[in-house]
Amino acid sequence: KQEVTQIPAALSVPEGENLVLNCSFTDSAIYNLQWFRQDPGKGLTSLLLIQSSQREQTSGRLNASLDKSSGRSTLYIAASQPGDSATYLCAVNTNAGKSTFGDGTTLTVKP
Amino acid sequence: DTAVSQTPKYLVTQMGNDKSIKCEQNLGHDTMYWYKQDSKKFLKIMFSYNNKELIINETVPNRFSPKSPDKAHLNLHINSLELGDSAVYFCASSQGHSGGRIYEQYFGPGTRLTVT
Repeated sequence: KQEVTQIPAALSVPEGENLVLNCSFTDSAIYNLQWFRQDPGKGLTSLLLIQSSQREQTSGRLNASLDKSSGRSTLYIAASQPGDSATYLCAVNTNAGKSTFGDGTTLTVKP
Repeated sequence: DTAVSQTPKYLVTQMGNDKSIKCEQNLGHDTMYWYKQDSKKFLKIMFSYNNKELIINETVPNRFSPKSPDKAHLNLHINSLELGDSAVYFCASSQGHSGGRIYEQYFGPGTRLTVT
């Protein structure tokens, strides 16, 4: 059974800092991994999708890496802004067609 | 133009009632999903449909019955609502489900269900 853990559960940083969010999973037989952000009371917005054959994906100030063999992914946010404050979720999608989400990391960026 | 839409956004009802939540996607995707997010914000898949066929049915009480009239719509009907059903229900869609694999998922805004 796939288990997905996100550390830390909460993170507070001053504006402008670079930061890393972590996602670890127990079953390395994955098809892809997707990072989302969720604003309070809102749905999920897709940030980045990494295929199992890729090692990283970049979009603007965001960079996601994947190390399938060690069961880890990181989301790097450069030059954080108050607008980045949200909960960040990773979803691990296996070859069996199941999507397992982590509990999320709640990020607060202080002006 | 909303890619994945859900109605209603909020639903407050009493125990024992039957209610439905509707979902529509205009992305041309083949696969649609229902997720439940509980009070602790934990998101868990409930059902997955591919081209109107049920492909994933997690351990969900049979009071929950999904229906897909066409591949752009996936509705969720809940019978005999219980207090523990209170949660936010999200619909999602993805391009396909080839060989059991999930492609990039797009989520709706959620339906907050409160059972009193």
